[in-house]
Amino acid sequence: QSVLTQTPSASGTPGQRVTISCSGGSSNIGSQNVCWYQQFPGSAPRLLIYATYQRPSGVPDRFSGSKSGTSASLAISGLRSEDEADYYCSSWDDSLESPIFGGGTKLTVL
Amino acid sequence: QVQLQESGPGLVKPSETLSLTCSISGASTKTYCWSWIRQTPGKGLEFIAFICPSGDTNSTSSLKSRVTISTGTSNDHFSLRLSSVTPSDTAVYYCARVSRSYDKVDWFDPWGQGTLVTVSS
Repeated sequence: QSVLTQTPSASGTPGQRVTISCSGGSSNIGSQNVCWYQQFPGSAPRLLIYATYQRPSGVPDRFSGSKSGTSASLAISGLRSEDEADYYCSSWDDSLESPIFGGGTKLTVL
Repeated sequence: QVQLQESGPGLVKPSETLSLTCSISGASTKTYCWSWIRQTPGKGLEFIAFICPSGDTNSTSSLKSRVTISTGTSNDHFSLRLSSVTPSDTAVYYCARVSRSYDKVDWFDPWGQGTLVTVSS
């Protein structure tokens, strides 16, 4: 049972905009930055968004992060087949004094 | 470019100690913090521990009594020891560089490719 809650699956068609959500609480998302990781089958997670809104170099601007209250979102615009992957949110938790992860969302491009 | 590579036994017997090493290229244990994270189908991604150049370490509370994280004298690798393992410790273990501020872990980047460790007799 992950501390951060994500919908297990999401889907979209090529070109569409898809949003993946991550729900937490006041001790994590509500007061801390959020980051997002992308993971393809058999590969390690890759940092996609850090400090809630920032993209590392090399990440397309089709990917964007945001948060409101105790929830965070990852938006993917202009969806492409190569975006099909698992996406994980993460944040620091002040109560646990530890980084925590969401359970992941499997994105399918139809 | 920083690259990480995990190494260690793929099979560990119950009650024994799991030992893994993360080899670092393109960076040093003297200039960044480093971490171990594991992934299982049932529990997803789980932070295990990190170590910083200052000697600061931290580990998740559920594993704290069994975890040792350390750096080597050559500054190009760090290690994990997890004692008294059970089948529930079966997972893919990743090492990663930590971005840290104000005593908090901000993000992990990059990650090693991961190594599967199975706990079984």
